Amino acid sequence: NAGVTQTPKFRILKIGQSMTLQCTQDMNHNYMYWYRQDPGMGLKLIYYSVGAGITDKGEVPNGYNVSRSTTEDFPLRLELAAPSQTSVYFCASSSGQSKDYGYTFGSGTRLTVV
Amino acid sequence: QKEVEQNSGPLSVPEGAIASLNCTYSDRGSQSFFWYRQYSGKSPELIMSIYSNGDKEDGRFTAQLNKASQYVSLLIRDSQPSDSATYLCASKDPREAGNNRKLIWGLGTSLAVNP
Repeated sequence: NAGVTQTPKFRILKIGQSMTLQCTQDMNHNYMYWYRQDPGMGLKLIYYSVGAGITDKGEVPNGYNVSRSTTEDFPLRLELAAPSQTSVYFCASSSGQSKDYGYTFGSGTRLTVV
Repeated sequence: QKEVEQNSGPLSVPEGAIASLNCTYSDRGSQSFFWYRQYSGKSPELIMSIYSNGDKEDGRFTAQLNKASQYVSLLIRDSQPSDSATYLCASKDPREAGNNRKLIWGLGTSLAVNP
């Protein structure tokens, strides 16, 4: 049981480049989330999805896009990378079971924009 | 303003002692609370969830919830050096419409357990 798998683990981008951070879960979770974590700033929600075909913005969506074509996959797209997007990105998923709000996180992607 | 607040620490305790981590929240409508542990350079992992007033125990961990005083705590008994990590407190956002299960996160408390 792999849980939540994120790729790549590390990436260096040049300003203006684009990339897609991949996230896949094999737990049949309906809810998926993308966070970024900067030192001392805590977890900030970028986008989330409550099921295939349904996505919505979080606190810090600017500069990012997502799609959810299947239950398993929730990729995050960075367009025109900027130094402010240097961060650690975490994908997470959650079961739809009542009161089971526990998130399972992927191992993260450390992104540097230079 | 929806907030979950934690003392950033670092909290330093000797090995074998009880570590007490505290979290306060501003919205009285909050019902569900979670403690996550995050080792340096790693992703957060769920330790405990608590929904009712009182204590909930799981091994060396005890979560305590006091809704009247709006605080949640995590006690770690017989602390070990391997418990050294940042502990994140989170609550289910009570004001979000629908069932999106979004969480409000604290900034975390750094715990150091000294051998």
